Amino acid sequence: QVQLQESGPGLVKPSQTLSLTCTVSGASFSSRDYYWFWVRQPPGKGLEWIGFIYYSGTTYYKSSLQSRVTISLDSSKSHFSLNLSSVTAADTAVYYCARAPRKWEMQGGYYYYYIDVWGKGTTVTVSS
Amino acid sequence: QSALTQPASVSGSPGQSITISCTAISADVATYNYVSWYQHYPGKAPKLIIYDVNDRPSGVSNRFSGSKSGNTASLTISGLQTEDEADYYCASYASGTTLYVLGTGTKVTVL
Repeated sequence: QVQLQESGPGLVKPSQTLSLTCTVSGASFSSRDYYWFWVRQPPGKGLEWIGFIYYSGTTYYKSSLQSRVTISLDSSKSHFSLNLSSVTAADTAVYYCARAPRKWEMQGGYYYYYIDVWGKGTTVTVSS
Repeated sequence: QSALTQPASVSGSPGQSITISCTAISADVATYNYVSWYQHYPGKAPKLIIYDVNDRPSGVSNRFSGSKSGNTASLTISGLQTEDEADYYCASYASGTTLYVLGTGTKVTVL
């Protein structure tokens, strides 16, 4: 059974870089069948996707966060990471990592995806 | 801007059925049948309950069902139970530079 576990500092100072790691167990991290996501939830607000990465290292970011986000992976260690630079209080949130199966749409000839497994989340507070 | 709009809250009594809507406002989401739904208890990991509009993962109660008509997807919870009180989010693959969209979320209250 696949499990994902987020880890990293719970407190980050404004203007600094938020760095989180997601450790994957119970699944082949190098599989071509999945994307690996980061999603967050600010206090009292809804879920917001941040970006995702493919086993090849190809990354995809939400356009509004693209200038500050870097997602990377270390398949030998079965983990992927999130770096979010120049943080402000608005980046305070519960951060989730997740897995998304990559499915082939035969008629359209493209891949689509949906998140099927989530980590439990880790709270990050941006404050001086 | 691409978005999936959900009602902020929906409520019902035990045993009743409720429906949560998820409306796409842009073409890069509206035309696709890749809507998924998640149940989220505060402080817990969200749980996939519907994918590909109306498919249920193994182990998910058949009280949860999905559908889609035009640019609006819907999640129906039948035989409402107190344990169904949670937040529910829809999501969808999106084409072009949008890539992925999450709904605004709906709080379900069991009266």
